[in-house]
Order: sequence, then structure tokens, then C-alpha cells
Amino acid sequence: AQSVTQLDSQVPVFEEAPVELRCNYSSSVSVYLFWYVQYPNQGLQLLLKYLSGSTLVKGINGFEAEFNKSQTSFHLRKPSVHISDTAEYFCAVSDLGGKLTFGQGTILTVHP
Amino acid sequence: SQTIHQWPATLVQPVGSPLSLECTVEGTSNPNLYWYRQAAGRGLQLLFYSVGIGQISSEVPQNLSASRPQDRQFILSSKKLLLSDSGFYLCASRVFANYGYTFGSGTRLTVV
Repeated sequence: AQSVTQLDSQVPVFEEAPVELRCNYSSSVSVYLFWYVQYPNQGLQLLLKYLSGSTLVKGINGFEAEFNKSQTSFHLRKPSVHISDTAEYFCAVSDLGGKLTFGQGTILTVHP
Repeated sequence: SQTIHQWPATLVQPVGSPLSLECTVEGTSNPNLYWYRQAAGRGLQLLFYSVGIGQISSEVPQNLSASRPQDRQFILSSKKLLLSDSGFYLCASRVFANYGYTFGSGTRLTVV
């Protein structure tokens, strides 16, 4: 079985500040890792994914995430956020069979 | 690339009424299809998934059912809605395990 824990349910931050959204996972097998973003009343959009290779993954909108196998973490970062980054962010893990398990989500609110 | 169409976007239904939400996929064939629900203040809960026509797996016992009459069509139904069925329903499609999911834009269901 696999599980995902997003450590912060809400993260407030000021515009142009850096942000880190934390994600830890547990799994007994190799996994793929994903971050999705959801804007109000919309579906989920893929930000980035880790499949293999380099542990630093770059995604859309200036986001990046680092896979840390020893700490079973996949934290999402952005060096300078914009008002438009206000949304809910979901970390997810997929086993090789493809079943996706989501974390509870982190609401990022960017203040002017 | 895949595109997922969901309708309607919003729906208000009385308790005890029937429900039918439709999801169709374009741009791929033989996808795995999924129905997720987001209840207020909660993360994403997998309700049903389907690996092919007529094949439905239920993840949680509930008042809802799903059907897949065609390869790229996935329907979520209920004979009698409950207040607890309110939420945001998302359809998702997956072709390959390491590609993650593609999501529809969702249906906001309010049962009154």
C-alpha cells in the first residue's frame, strides 16, 4: 500500500517570496511522483512529475521539486511566487501499475 | 494529447432525485478511466475506475454507481441522491502509468 502526506493544509505567502510545499510518501515499491495544481472550480493540471533519473525536476510556471529517496519526500518549490499561483496543490504517488494516490492538498494563498 | 469533457459543470439536485454525470475522452484509445470526488475540506477520493468497456471497480461502498458503455465514455449515476453526495466530481484518464492522469474540468454537485 502507498500513502501521501502533505504536511501543510494551508500556506500563506507574500508575492515575490519563495515557497515550499511539503510532501512525504510511503510505499514498499518503486513509485512515480507527481504534483498537480487545481484552480477554483477547475480540474487538476499536471505541474511536474518524477519518473527516474535526475532528482531535481522542473515543471511549468517556474515550479520545481526534488525527489529525496532517503527521506521519502518530494517537496515542491518556487523561488518567487505570483498572485496567479494562488490555488490548491496536490502531491500524488503512482505505483508501476498506475494507481494514483493523492495527498490531502495544500492551499497556497499569495498575498500582495 | 488527451482531452476530457465533463458535463454539466454545475448541478443542483433535490434529495432523492436521480443523477447522471457523463465523461468522454478524446485523443486516445483504451484509457483507464476514473471518477474522483472532492468533498468540502477533503482531498480527492477515488470512487470508481475502469480498465475497459463494461469493467468497473468500486473503491468505496456508497450510493453511486458507474458504467462504461463505450471505450471513451464513463458515466456516474445514482438512483436516489443523498445530501452527502454533494461535492466536486472529477473524471480522469490514464494511458500509461508514468504519464499520470489527465483530468476533466469537473462537475460541482449540490444536493439540497
